[in-house]
Amino acid sequence: DVKVTQSSRYLVKRTGEKVFLECVQDMDHENMFWYRQDPGLGLRLIYFSYDVKMKEKGDIPEGYSVSREKKERFSLILESASTNQTSMYLCASSFWTSGVGVHNEQFFGPGTRLTVL
Amino acid sequence: QQQVKQSPQSLIVQKGGIPIINCAYENTAFDYFPWYQQFPGKGPALLIAIRPDVSEKKEGRFTISFNKSAKQFSLHIMDSQPGDSATYFCAASRLNAGNMLTFGGGTRLMVKP
Repeated sequence: DVKVTQSSRYLVKRTGEKVFLECVQDMDHENMFWYRQDPGLGLRLIYFSYDVKMKEKGDIPEGYSVSREKKERFSLILESASTNQTSMYLCASSFWTSGVGVHNEQFFGPGTRLTVL
Repeated sequence: QQQVKQSPQSLIVQKGGIPIINCAYENTAFDYFPWYQQFPGKGPALLIAIRPDVSEKKEGRFTISFNKSAKQFSLHIMDSQPGDSATYFCAASRLNAGNMLTFGGGTRLMVKP
């Protein structure tokens, strides 16, 4: 059974704190993604990584950074948390697209609900 | 700017009804259109997907209709059940985009018994 796990289901932090969200997948996937989910806005891509130490900005990277030191682990970092980063954060993984026109399913973790006070 | 617009935001139907969720896109480079289903407390999971070379795809009670000229696609749930109550997201992906998805805003569906 495929599995993407996230380190916390709920997290409460104070403004200005450094926040680490961890994601681990056990499917040997090359791609890993971080999204935030907000009502009415759907899922918006923050960053993704297609290999160890590689990263690409998504649609809303401002205020976030990522780290991928091992293939199975992808971390999202909020350098100085702000109240507008209160959200649900979802991690996903997939195989790298190996051929033209090939799209691989993304597998999601259960999410981390982050509240910044 | 949302590249994939989804409607309605919420939907309530009676058991056995046929909820329809609509999505529209702008980018003609999109070539893959999946739908993801999310239950409370869980991450989204792939439900069904379509490519633009077909106008309809069915998997069980779930059907995607695709209108390439109008740049619209929709999800129909036949004989809906209370267990179908979830949030549904349409998405789109471009060729050679590294498997990145652009999601719609989501539709919260409630199927009443």
